Amino acid sequence: DVKVTQSSRYLVKRTGEKVFLECVQDMDHENMFWYRQDPGLGLRLIYFSYDVKMKEKGDIPEGYSVSREKKERFSLILESASTNQTSMYLCASNYGPGFEQFFGPGTRLTVL
Amino acid sequence: AQSVTQLDSQVPVFEEAPVELRCNYSSSVSVYLFWYVQYPNQGLQLLLKYLSGSTLVKGINGFEAEFNKSQTSFHLRKPSVHISDTAEYFCAVSENNNDMRFGAGTRLTVKP
Repeated sequence: DVKVTQSSRYLVKRTGEKVFLECVQDMDHENMFWYRQDPGLGLRLIYFSYDVKMKEKGDIPEGYSVSREKKERFSLILESASTNQTSMYLCASNYGPGFEQFFGPGTRLTVL
Repeated sequence: AQSVTQLDSQVPVFEEAPVELRCNYSSSVSVYLFWYVQYPNQGLQLLLKYLSGSTLVKGINGFEAEFNKSQTSFHLRKPSVHISDTAEYFCAVSENNNDMRFGAGTRLTVKP
């Protein structure tokens, strides 16, 4: 069974902390994605990666960075967390254009 | 760049009634279209997708969608809904590149 896992389901951090969200996929997918999901806004793409060490900015990259050192792992980094980054974060992966994206269960991050 | 508009943020419907969830997209090139479903406290899973060929696409759980190029629409339908169909539904478009854009979502509530 295909799987995308995320390191935490729930996370509470303080303003100014550095936050790491980890995502691992076991499907040998080329592409990996990070989205944030907010009510009424749907999913917004933060960053995606189409290969190891390669990344592309999505629609809302400000305040975030990413790292992909291994094909199966894609990390989202909040350099200095702020309250407006409180959200649900979803990781996804796929083989390429036209292929469905497989999603992890999400991490609900609260920044106090 | 591609974009998606889901015309209804909430759709309440009674059990066994038909339902249509509307989706319009904007793109200047050929697209791939997807519908995903998100049950409470879960990640997204694919309902169906249109890549090419027949404009009527059948998916899981009795859902189907019709691609209309002239109207740039990809509406989702089910002839008879169940309580278990209560969820949030997302339309997504991809322009033969590596990223995908999602709509804001439609919350379907099926009432007994």
